[in-house]
Amino acid sequence: AQRVTQPEKLLSVFKGAPVELKCNYSYSGSPELFWYVQYSRQRLQLLLRHISRESIKGFTADLNKGETSFHLKKPFAQEEDSAMYYCALPTGGYQKVTFGTGTKLQVIP
Amino acid sequence: DTEVTQTPKHLVMGMTNKKSLKCEQHMGHRAMYWYKQKAKKPPELMFVYSYEKLSINESVPSRFSPECPNSSLLNLHLHALQPEDSALYLCASSQGLGGGQETQYFGPGTRLLVL
Repeated sequence: AQRVTQPEKLLSVFKGAPVELKCNYSYSGSPELFWYVQYSRQRLQLLLRHISRESIKGFTADLNKGETSFHLKKPFAQEEDSAMYYCALPTGGYQKVTFGTGTKLQVIP
Repeated sequence: DTEVTQTPKHLVMGMTNKKSLKCEQHMGHRAMYWYKQKAKKPPELMFVYSYEKLSINESVPSRFSPECPNSSLLNLHLHALQPEDSALYLCASSQGLGGGQETQYFGPGTRLLVL
């Protein structure tokens, strides 16, 4: 079954420290994986997706097929990075997206 | 216009009421979605419309009735809801060529409270 797992409910880091939000998936084939972010009182929005290979707001994510992971990383956390982060992948024959349980990132000043 | 809009922002309704949620986008997207999000939980897919036709119903109770009058508009009709249906209802849209592979653009949501 296609599944995405985010093992951490809450991740607290100090400002300026590196950040790694974990995402593991189970999927047969080459998945298109996404990271969505939900800032406080803002709408859910795309942060980045695997296929674009962009760095958005200093965040990057590399697809590791051997470890079936798509961890989100940033070298230096900023206070404005505090938000809920969801990893997501296509399921149901590419008809829809399933979201992971989410990780709340708290950046401590 | 590059946003998905949803009305109303907040809705309080009794279990015998009938109400509707509205979602609109003018990005030319041909796929539209309804999600339900409970507090501190991820969005859960309810319905997918592709080219104005219902393509996915995630076994949602019939007290929720979606409608897609045209490619820009998506409604969710509510009737005889239960208190456990209280949640944030999110609308999203995508280009429509392949739902799960596409970036979805979300509206701000309607916060629903059922008394």
